Amino acid sequence: NAGVTQTPKFRILKIGQSMTLQCAQDMNHNYMYWYRQDPGMGLKLIYYSVGAGITDKGEVPNGYNVSRSTTEDFPLRLELAAPSQTSVYFCASRGPSGTTEAFFGQGTRLTVV
Amino acid sequence: GESVGLHLPTLSVQEGDNSIINCAYSNSASDYFIWYKQESGKGPQFIIDIRSNMDKRQGQRVTVLLNKTVKHLSLQIAATQPGDSAVYFCADPSDTGRRALTFGSGTRLQVQP
Repeated sequence: NAGVTQTPKFRILKIGQSMTLQCAQDMNHNYMYWYRQDPGMGLKLIYYSVGAGITDKGEVPNGYNVSRSTTEDFPLRLELAAPSQTSVYFCASRGPSGTTEAFFGQGTRLTVV
Repeated sequence: GESVGLHLPTLSVQEGDNSIINCAYSNSASDYFIWYKQESGKGPQFIIDIRSNMDKRQGQRVTVLLNKTVKHLSLQIAATQPGDSAVYFCADPSDTGRRALTFGSGTRLQVQP
């Protein structure tokens, strides 16, 4: 019973490098989300998707891109890493109803140096 | 814009005492709220939810109260235990048409032995 799986768990990037954070869910959820969480802070929504082929910007989308080619996968792309993107990134998924809980992955800790 | 926020960043309680964590919301159309618990190094986990047609909902050692008049939520934890030490978030899934899921800044609960 995997739920939401994120890879990698940790990553160190140099300024200007790019990478993709992977997120996969096996619950057939339509809704998927990417959040970032800076130390001692709350969760800020980066991007979300309500289904395959549909994505929308959240509160802090600048510097990131997403795609949703399948129901299961929702990768987050950083093209030109900056120190301000040092954070913990969480992926989450939710069922189609507006009144269901979201399930979170264990997070990816990213450091940009 | 609409927001979900917490009154206090840190709450310190003695083991065995009751804890009360508060949350204010500004969207008067919100009709569903969720409380999450985030332990150190982990993703948020669902605790309890409440719909706006309810004033109170009880779970195991937790109770959520909803005051729609003043747009305020509270999470009460009875007989607080060391394992309750975590950051607690309230979330409003009805924000942006039930698609996005945004969080308040969170309250860190510290349980003193």
